Amino acid sequence: GAGVSQSPSNKVTEKGKDVELRCDPISGHTALYWYRQSLGQGLEFLIYFQGNSAPDKSGLPSDRFSAERTGGSVSTLTIQRTQQEDSAVYLCASRGVLNTGELFFGEGSRLTVL
Amino acid sequence: RKEVEQDPGPFNVPEGATVAFNCTYSNSASQSFFWYRQDCRKEPKLLMSVYSSGNEDGRFTAQLNRASQYISLLIRDSKLSDSATYLCVVSLRGVGTYKYIFGTGTRLKVLA
Repeated sequence: GAGVSQSPSNKVTEKGKDVELRCDPISGHTALYWYRQSLGQGLEFLIYFQGNSAPDKSGLPSDRFSAERTGGSVSTLTIQRTQQEDSAVYLCASRGVLNTGELFFGEGSRLTVL
Repeated sequence: RKEVEQDPGPFNVPEGATVAFNCTYSNSASQSFFWYRQDCRKEPKLLMSVYSSGNEDGRFTAQLNRASQYISLLIRDSKLSDSATYLCVVSLRGVGTYKYIFGTGTRLKVLA
């Protein structure tokens, strides 16, 4: 498709399990962001990738969270030893080279930790 | 203090009303400014960018006051379909980074 694609759309897991969330950005977009949105809350910045540069990981809430972006395209957000407070919608967004400023979001991955 | 602050609302207005939302930001180095719209259980989508000179897109008018670090959005002749959460967003360039910082959003409900 032409938009940002995220999978899975829904994930239910047990506390202590690891989860992987995937983001496939718009083709040619060099910038990729991960955000987290808890119920009724705003978007919390997690991590930013730009091309082959070192990512800005300053928003990752703990060392249980990590992300990578392979080949400058697909990104995976990994949460180890999930906790109930990790339950949220994880949103991925990409932005084009020309930096019009517009972020294009995927539909998100809704994570529920039981 | 939050980096981007908005009144959470909800604003309940009748169809046809004019409604205004405000937003303040704390970092004077913020570079670009936007309003995004987020429908219930959907992803945010860009509504409009905000420029210092003010800009208009149909029924929507956005204003930026850099001196006061204040952004506004005015919706005229509101429609039922305008019901959504409106997110104020600022961008900030740092060393090796370019962040978009989102407010928590203002909920609007337009009533028939």
